[in-house]
Amino acid sequence: AQSVSQHNHHVILSEAASLELGCNYSYGGTVNLFWYVQYPGQHLQLLLKYFSGDPLVKGIKGFEAEFIKSKFSFNLRKPSVQWSDTAEYFCAVSATSGTYKYIFGTGTRLKVLA
Amino acid sequence: EPEVTQTPSHQVTQMGQEVILRCVPISNHLYFYWYRQILGQKVEFLVSFYNNEISEKSEIFDDQFSVERPDGSNFTLKIRSTKLEDSAMYFCASSGDRSFTEAFFGQGTRLTVV
Repeated sequence: AQSVSQHNHHVILSEAASLELGCNYSYGGTVNLFWYVQYPGQHLQLLLKYFSGDPLVKGIKGFEAEFIKSKFSFNLRKPSVQWSDTAEYFCAVSATSGTYKYIFGTGTRLKVLA
Repeated sequence: EPEVTQTPSHQVTQMGQEVILRCVPISNHLYFYWYRQILGQKVEFLVSFYNNEISEKSEIFDDQFSVERPDGSNFTLKIRSTKLEDSAMYFCASSGDRSFTEAFFGQGTRLTVV
């Protein structure tokens, strides 16, 4: 069965610290990969996506993620977090054929201390 | 920037009552989705809709649930007889293409069943 695992459920960092959030997926076919962010009281917003090509993708607000196919991973990184990055981060996977649905991870709640 | 809009933002209903959650997807999108997020839990797929019919549904989407695109612009989720466990944030999403673009999410409707 398809699944997405996010290993860090809660992360607390100080401003300017570096961030890496893990995401591993389980799926037998070709996938599209996403990171969404949900700021308090707001809807899911796309941070970045991977469909094909360069496995290092850059998104908005200085975030980037690297797709490592051999590890079934798509970790999110930011070299220097800001207080405004406090939010919940969701990794998601969709198949490129067959199923239409997105499978989301459980989310990582990030708190950045000013 | 085009966006997915959902109404109402918050609905409180009594157990056993019918509710209809409304969504206006992005106008040129073809694929429509409903997801839900029970408080503190992950975002779960409910149903996808394409070409005026359900493409896929999860085990959550039982006979109490239905979706409709009544007029070419709105996309609704109906719960016929709400249960306490239906309390959740319900997200509508749409995408223009299943394989090459991401899904855009609405701001959500928080449903509280009392």
